[in-house]
Amino acid sequence: AQKITQTQPGMFVQEKEAVTLDCTYDTSDPSYGLFWYKQPSSGEMIFLIYQGSYDQQNATEGRYSLNFQKARKSANLVISASQLGDSAMYFCAMRATARNSGNTPLVFGKGTRLSVIA
Amino acid sequence: NAGVTQTPKFQVLKTGQSMTLQCAQDMNHEYMSWYRQDPGMGLRLIHYSVGAGITDQGEVPNGYNVSRSTTEDFPLRLLSAAPSQTSVYFCASSRAGRSGNTIYFGEGSWLTVV
Repeated sequence: AQKITQTQPGMFVQEKEAVTLDCTYDTSDPSYGLFWYKQPSSGEMIFLIYQGSYDQQNATEGRYSLNFQKARKSANLVISASQLGDSAMYFCAMRATARNSGNTPLVFGKGTRLSVIA
Repeated sequence: NAGVTQTPKFQVLKTGQSMTLQCAQDMNHEYMSWYRQDPGMGLRLIHYSVGAGITDQGEVPNGYNVSRSTTEDFPLRLLSAAPSQTSVYFCASSRAGRSGNTIYFGEGSWLTVV
């Protein structure tokens, strides 16, 4: 079974500053994927970034980067140059990938509410 | 290019009523899932399916029923609604295997049980 822990219920960041949202995970599966989603007040789930457990480099997507530390089982999201539009709920999630049985469903953390201050 | 379509978007039910949340995808995805989102709880898995005719329970399946008679559709049935089922429901779909790392979500269904 997989478990995701997000220890920061809420975070504040000044506009144009960088912010790190923490995520730790637990799994016994050797192959897995880690995801970050953004949920604005309108409610939709917006995919931000993905990291595979065997990827050698940390994933980056524009202003988003994933600080993947496999030994520590952490997958922190870094948002650079925060914007007011980044204010939202952020969820870390993971799924296992088994060669024969396929992917498991996503398991989510409880989320971190980020507020960007002008 | 519809992606994942959930209906209805908003619904108010009385305790004891039954209803079905519809989920359809037009991408020929094998995997489909239903989640519920409650304040402070993140998204929790209700039921999922890895293909037509195959379903399995997630973390919080009680009070819900699913079936997968076609690849495209994965309806979620509330058999006898309870106030504890007031929540936001999300349907998601993806391909199997490595290409399944792109997961598509519906826009959500807001359900209130009074």
